[in-house]
Amino acid sequence: DVKVTQSSRYLVKRTGEKVFLECVQDMDHENMFWYRQDPGLGLRLIYFSYDVKMKEKGDIPEGYSVSREKKERFSLILESASTNQTSMYLCASTNLQTYGYTFGSGTRLTVV
Amino acid sequence: GQQLNQSPQSMFIQEGEDVSMNCTSSSIFNTWLWYKQEPGEGPVLLIALYKAGELTSNGRLTAQFGITRKDSFLNISASIPSDVGIYFCAGQRNNDMRFGAGTRLTVKP
Repeated sequence: DVKVTQSSRYLVKRTGEKVFLECVQDMDHENMFWYRQDPGLGLRLIYFSYDVKMKEKGDIPEGYSVSREKKERFSLILESASTNQTSMYLCASTNLQTYGYTFGSGTRLTVV
Repeated sequence: GQQLNQSPQSMFIQEGEDVSMNCTSSSIFNTWLWYKQEPGEGPVLLIALYKAGELTSNGRLTAQFGITRKDSFLNISASIPSDVGIYFCAGQRNNDMRFGAGTRLTVKP
């Protein structure tokens, strides 16, 4: 059963902390994505990557960075967490031959 | 980037009723997709549509790719309590995927 695994389901962090959200996929997918999901706003793309060590900004990259050192792992980094980054974060992956993304179960981050 | 216009935002229906939701865009997409997200989980792909005018079914779900390539609808027939969740439309054009804001469906037994 193919999977996208996000390391934490729930996280509570303090304002100013550096936060790492990890995502691993076992499907050998080239493309990986980080979204945040907020009520009424749907899914908004933060960053994506088409290959190892590649990264591209999405629609709302401010306050975030990413790392892709290995093909199966895509990390989202909040350099200095703020309360407006409280949200559900979803990781997804896909390859060049298929349509649609496979999503992880999400990480609900609360910044206090 | 532009998101898709999905409606309705929410629906409260009785078990057994049919449901219809739709998605529109000012841009053309090559593929339309419908996802379902259950509480505490990530979205799961329900149906993918690849050609304008295509009508595809998956059990009680039916979706259509609009002839203009700028819209799509999803119908759920004879709803049951486990249909509860948020349904997202998505339009894909090459490597660009855009999502609607979601339709939250509540089914009363």
